Amino acid sequence: AQTVTQSQPEMSVQEAETVTLSCTYDTSESDYYLFWYKQPPSRQMILVIRQEAYKQQNATENRFSVNFQKAAKSFSLKISDSQLGDAAMYFCAYRSRGSQGNLIFGKGTKLSVKP
Amino acid sequence: DSGVTQTPKHLITATGQRVTLRCSPRSGDLSVYWYQQSLDQGLQFLIQYYNGEERAKGNILERFSAQQFPDLHSELNLSSLELGDSALYFCASSVGFGGGLLYEQYFGPGTRLTVT
Repeated sequence: AQTVTQSQPEMSVQEAETVTLSCTYDTSESDYYLFWYKQPPSRQMILVIRQEAYKQQNATENRFSVNFQKAAKSFSLKISDSQLGDAAMYFCAYRSRGSQGNLIFGKGTKLSVKP
Repeated sequence: DSGVTQTPKHLITATGQRVTLRCSPRSGDLSVYWYQQSLDQGLQFLIQYYNGEERAKGNILERFSAQQFPDLHSELNLSSLELGDSALYFCASSVGFGGGLLYEQYFGPGTRLTVT
């Protein structure tokens, strides 16, 4: 079975600085997708960024980028120029490319942004 | 706004009771997923329906059941409630089922269930 591990329960960053959130996963599959979701205090789940495992190029969405290391099964999220609105829980998630499309989530990292 | 609606937003009930959570998927989406977010278990997948049929099951208790109706809305029924069932229950919808990137999941705002 696939598992997702986020080893940092809490992180803190100064406004305008850069922070990296870690995620590792375990799978025997070769084709899958990885995601980072943001959950602000409103509790809404917001997709931040996605990565297709068969693509070597790291995904980027504005201030958000990932470092995808397939061999190491590592998928970290880098937030540049951190803003107060980035404060939230961040969840790393895995989804198989197979017939089951459900997401497998890590436990989350709570990010605080200091003004 | 994801286009997925969930009702009610909050629900407070007593142990032993039964509740029904409702989800309406985005227009055009045929697949509905239910997830539970609790303090001790984190976010975990419960069950998935596609066009009225159950497609996948996760860590769903026998006291819980779900269905998807012809108009594609879905209901999650929780019975013999225990304190540990207190959680945020999310519904997500997608166009189809499976892992393809076309089948992006869009999450609803969730229903917060408190069992006292």
